[in-house]
Order: sequence, then structure tokens, then C-alpha cells
Amino acid sequence: DAGVIQSPRHEVTEMGQEVTLRCKPISGHNSLFWYRQTMMRGLELLIYFNNNVPIDDSGMPEDRFSAKMPNASFSTLKIQPSEPRDSAVYFCASSLRSSGANTGELFFGEGSRLTVL
Amino acid sequence: KNEVEQSPQNLTAQEGEFITINCSYSVGISALHWLQQHPGGGIVSLFMLSSGKKKHGRLIATINIQEKHSSLHITASHPRDSAVYICAVPYYGGATNKLIFGTGTLLAVQP
Repeated sequence: DAGVIQSPRHEVTEMGQEVTLRCKPISGHNSLFWYRQTMMRGLELLIYFNNNVPIDDSGMPEDRFSAKMPNASFSTLKIQPSEPRDSAVYFCASSLRSSGANTGELFFGEGSRLTVL
Repeated sequence: KNEVEQSPQNLTAQEGEFITINCSYSVGISALHWLQQHPGGGIVSLFMLSSGKKKHGRLIATINIQEKHSSLHITASHPRDSAVYICAVPYYGGATNKLIFGTGTLLAVQP
């Protein structure tokens, strides 16, 4: 399996521009997570989906952030308009979550490094 | 909400040394995750464990559910083990089961 695939790996944009990050989870996985990592705050969960349905988006910073999962093999995280404080590495992860409390083992993508000037 | 504490925050070791990283949490859990992140790199899941001990190569993870504590051990450490090691536990603060991450332990293994 190719693992979790994210694109782009690096993006540099100017404040106010729209940014779209993409993620292809591992085939067969039913949970998908978007995380943001910064030096100051470490890893933070932004949103996660189970079976393509958003379950918890309480970590999404504000209305400028939105995420979709139109099907089991694709998800996007969009920032519009972007701001310098959005600069971070954004990770997508997927897992196979069985019934019960466990999230299942997480498989991370390589991350998308975003710089907003 | 579950609280996670890792220690030490920074660790420098000589090649070949036995290394232990600790993780404590405040609320009972069903499973704990250990992750590894190399500088500037992606994140790799090392272990997910709910009881006892797991071993993978030179890495060993243990968990004591009653004491709410887990340890990650590295035997015969090598410079390529230099990375940030992160433990994560379920949030259990509501209807979701998202993970809460520790702040990580930065390990540097010197040759």
C-alpha cells in the first residue's frame, strides 16, 4: 500500500489567498484525521471523520477553516482567507477504527508544510 | 479531558545506551499510542497498546493501566534513533475519541 498521501508537500502563499490541502487515506481505513503541528502548540487535532462523516470539528480554529470528505478515498482541508498565523505543518492520518473506544493504529501522511507570508 | 505528561522533555544519550521515555496520563484509557517523528519528517506510529508489553526490534513499550503510566524503551540506541517521541491517549472528554498528545521527548543519540 502507498500509505497516506498528502499534497502539496510544501506551499508558500500570500496572506489572503485560499489554500487547499489534500489527503488520500489508506484504502479500507474508515477514519481520517487532520492535524496541525506548530512549535508553540505541538500536534493539535483539527477535525476527524468516521466513514466520511465529520465527527468532531471542535479543533478547527475558526470559520476560515473547512474540511470535506466527499468519499472514502479523498479529503480536503481548506483555509480561506489564509493568514500568517496559519503557517504550520498539516498532517493527515487514517486508521481502521473498530467498534469501541479505540481509534485504531494511526498512519500519518508526510505532511504539508504551509507558509503564509 | 485527559492530561498527558511526558518525561524527560529532552534526552541526550551516547550510542549503545539504554533509553527510557515515560508517559503519564490522568484518565483511564483503552489504548495508548507511541509515535516517532524525525526532524523535519513525518510521523510514524510505533506502538498502540492497551496492556502489558510490546516489542518491535530494539523498541519496547510497556503500560501499567492501574498506575496510568507507560514507558518506551530503546535498547542499544543508535544515532538514527534521534527523533521526537510522542505519546498519545484518548481524549474521553465528550462524545469523541480523539487523541490528546504529549509534548514529546526530543532524543539525541550521539555516536
